[in-house]
Amino acid sequence: NAGVTQTPKFRVLKTGQSMTLLCAQDMNHEYMYWYRQDPGMGLRLIHYSVGEGTTAKGEVPDGYNVSRLKKQNFLLGLESAAPSQTSVYFCASSRGREETQYFGPGTRLLVL
Amino acid sequence: EDKVVQSPLSLVVHEGDTVTLNCSYEVTNFRSLLWYKQEKKAPTFLFMLTSSGIEKKSGRLSSILDKKELFSILNITATQTGDSAVYLCAVNTGTASKLTFGTGTRLQVTL
Repeated sequence: NAGVTQTPKFRVLKTGQSMTLLCAQDMNHEYMYWYRQDPGMGLRLIHYSVGEGTTAKGEVPDGYNVSRLKKQNFLLGLESAAPSQTSVYFCASSRGREETQYFGPGTRLLVL
Repeated sequence: EDKVVQSPLSLVVHEGDTVTLNCSYEVTNFRSLLWYKQEKKAPTFLFMLTSSGIEKKSGRLSSILDKKELFSILNITATQTGDSAVYLCAVNTGTASKLTFGTGTRLQVTL
C-alpha cells in the first residue's frame, strides 16, 4: 500500500516547454487534488476531481490543465511553462468530501 | 474570501518545552479544521476537528477547536528535536472538500 505517489520528484523546464505531472493513489479514493506550495503563500488548490472523468478549477487554475481518465490517476499538465510556475506541487486524495486528505511526496519544478 | 491565519510564523524552543500553536479562520460553510505536520516532504495528517470544545489527543500532541471564537490551538508537550517541522492548519469548507491552508508555523526544537 503505497498511498499517494507522484512522478517525477524533480524537474527543470525552460520557459515555453510542456510537461505532465502524474499522481497515483492506491486507496480507491474518489477525490483527488493538485496543490502548489510557494514560500509565504501556503498550499493553494489548482484543480481537483470528485471522481473518474470529472475535473474542476480550484483557486489558482490558470496555466494548468488536468485529466482524470482512471480513478487512481490524476494528471496535471503545463502546456507552456512560465517562471511563475516554479513551485513544489503536491497531489492529495480523500475518500469523500469531508474526509481527510492524504498527500503525496511532492514534485519540485523549476522553470528557467 | 476564505482566510486562515497561523501564529506565530516561527518558533524556537528547547527540548522539553511545551509549545502552543494558533490557528484562526474566517470562512464560509465551515466543515472541519485539520492540522498537518510537514517536514521535508509531504504534509502528514495529525488531527481533524469538527466539534467545538472536544480535545483530540495523540501522544504528546493535542488540539482543540473553538467554533464560537473561530480558532484552534495545537499543543505539543515535552518537545523533542523530532518535532521540528512546519505545522499547517487547514479548514475544510465542504465545497468538494476544498482545503484553505494557513502559511504554517515553523517550529525548531533545539537541544
